Amino acid sequence: AQKVTQAQTEISVVEKEDVTLDCVYETRDTTYYLFWYKQPPSGELVFLIRRNSFDEQNEISGRYSWNFQKSTSSFNFTITASQVVDSAVYFCALTSNTGKLIFGQGTTLQVKP
Amino acid sequence: EPEVTQTPSHQVTQMGQEVILRCVPISNHLYFYWYRQILGQKVEFLVSFYNNEISEKSEIFDDQFSVERPDGSNFTLKIRSTKLEDSAMYFCASSSVLAGGPYEQYFGPGTRLTVT
Repeated sequence: AQKVTQAQTEISVVEKEDVTLDCVYETRDTTYYLFWYKQPPSGELVFLIRRNSFDEQNEISGRYSWNFQKSTSSFNFTITASQVVDSAVYFCALTSNTGKLIFGQGTTLQVKP
Repeated sequence: EPEVTQTPSHQVTQMGQEVILRCVPISNHLYFYWYRQILGQKVEFLVSFYNNEISEKSEIFDDQFSVERPDGSNFTLKIRSTKLEDSAMYFCASSSVLAGGPYEQYFGPGTRLTVT
């Protein structure tokens, strides 16, 4: 069975601090895809990134970066120089070729000014 | 930029009543999904839909639930006889083709269903 674990329930940082959100996944599939979504207080789910199991190259997009390590089944998300607007719930998700997304419990990030 | 839309944004209904939640997926997308999120909890998959039929459904998606694509644009979720535990945010999502791997699913803003 597939499973996503986000052990950090809540994280609180002060603006400009760096913060890393952890994601550990379980799957027996050799081909799978990992995602991060952001859910701001307004409630919608905003796509951030997709990664496939064959591509372990880390990715950077502005202040966001992702570290994918198959050896530890982790797909961690780092926000550099956090801002108040980064305050949200962040979900890590996993799917195989069916498209069904398995979400983690989410990590609530609070960035204080 | 194309987006998934959902109506209504908030639906209040009495236990035992039928509700229909509506979604308009992104126009060139072929795969459609419903998820739900009970307040404060994680997002849970309900059902996926492709080529006018259900591709996959979860244990949550029992006989009380049904989906339909009544025309070329709308995608609906019907709950026949609502229960208190159906109270949740319901998200519709759509994605492009799966060839080469699932493309990202774009989510609508959600419909908050409150069953009293």
